Amino acid sequence: SQQGEEDPQALSIQEGENATMNCSYKTSINNLQWYRQNSGRGLVHLILIRSNEREKHSGRLRVTLDTSKKSSSLLITASRAADTASYFCATGLGDYKLSFGAGTTVTVRA
Amino acid sequence: GAVVSQHPSWVICKSGTSVKIECRSLDFQATTMFWYRQFPKQSLMLMATSNEGSKATYEQGVEKDKFLINHASLTLSTLTVTSAHPEDSSFYICSAAPLDTNSYEQYFGPGTRLTVT
Repeated sequence: SQQGEEDPQALSIQEGENATMNCSYKTSINNLQWYRQNSGRGLVHLILIRSNEREKHSGRLRVTLDTSKKSSSLLITASRAADTASYFCATGLGDYKLSFGAGTTVTVRA
Repeated sequence: GAVVSQHPSWVICKSGTSVKIECRSLDFQATTMFWYRQFPKQSLMLMATSNEGSKATYEQGVEKDKFLINHASLTLSTLTVTSAHPEDSSFYICSAAPLDTNSYEQYFGPGTRLTVT
């Protein structure tokens, strides 16, 4: 069953702006992962943050995790048209099974 | 590295026929592979966990006799949709977890779009 809920469902920004999306979940987790999916394609792994970590960076991506609030955020800085995609958070309990959120559709306008 | 392929990338079949989808890890071994389905503009729903050399574990509500999974080797898992019906039309995605890692990362295939007419 889906554990993650993402907010907002859709986001439209101008190229160069930052995009922030949030993910909330219900139960304790081992790790939380963010994925990107271009329309009709497979998923690309972006970043994994473990339950004992609070923040992680990868290039223009910044992920935070607040286990007390059971929430995570993904920030994409200096967005580009190529960042247009759907972004999913997925929670892991430590056995490789993932429970995906509903996703945020991001549109970056040139 | 860490590439997962799926074949076919799309398939159209008639109602009542069976369709087999392959998922291969190309440059790593995977004891565990996962099968998901995704409806348009929706999230991925885990269907089953495929373990090499043993029976697959199906999620609640997924018919194991309809969605047959075989994980014959450390690099190949297959999903067969038996007696397909139009409601089985969906995007099927597999993922594979590398054998020798505890990083919890897994790698996804490009997906297979199934259309049942």
